Amino acid sequence: DQQVKQNSPSLSVQEGRISILNCDYTNSMFDYFLWYKKYPAEGPTFLISISSIKDKNEDGRFTVFLNKSAKHLSLHIVPSQPGDSAVYFCAARAPGTSGSRLTFGEGTQLTVNP
Amino acid sequence: ETGVTQSPTHLIKTRGQQVTLRCSSQSGHNTVSWYQQALGQGPQFIFQYYREEENGRGNFPPRFSGLQFPNYSSELNVNALELDDSALYLCASSLVAGGTGELFFGEGSRLTVL
Repeated sequence: DQQVKQNSPSLSVQEGRISILNCDYTNSMFDYFLWYKKYPAEGPTFLISISSIKDKNEDGRFTVFLNKSAKHLSLHIVPSQPGDSAVYFCAARAPGTSGSRLTFGEGTQLTVNP
Repeated sequence: ETGVTQSPTHLIKTRGQQVTLRCSSQSGHNTVSWYQQALGQGPQFIFQYYREEENGRGNFPPRFSGLQFPNYSSELNVNALELDDSALYLCASSLVAGGTGELFFGEGSRLTVL
């Protein structure tokens, strides 16, 4: 039962353009959503999060949008930079669970070409 | 401020053996969680420790066990290794057990079971 899904295993964009990474979920009880970024041979690093009571959160070049009715969230990176090339994981937390119990998607490999 | 460190980084075991993986939490963090990341998949929650007690567990059998020590370092033990246990094992620390999912991950221990 894959409660968090990232249907695109990979995405390639040109430097300076927008990158849009998508994530779908099935559990309507999730109350917090996060994006993590992972470089090879490193652990995932936290990027940005959004509470289920909001529909948008912005942090510099990164914006996360949440559409609860569609059970869909997306991460926008603009402008994209070559250093953004990494695997991006969408993750979600259900209320009543420990704060570090996250359900992750499969990840999307983003490649930003110079 | 030191980050999360894990050891060993790579190891090879044979089926039926036992393995112990170690994690040193980020300074000041009192909660540690362990995740298993199989090839091509997102991390899967194994369990969480807070104040030396397990307080959350994912869908993993009892042969996966852990410890958290007074200095907040942690161990993951896996008994009776199976081929499917081959994966990257990630340790993550956070400040509080009921936080919002912002975890600090180590670089992982890659286990290969032959």
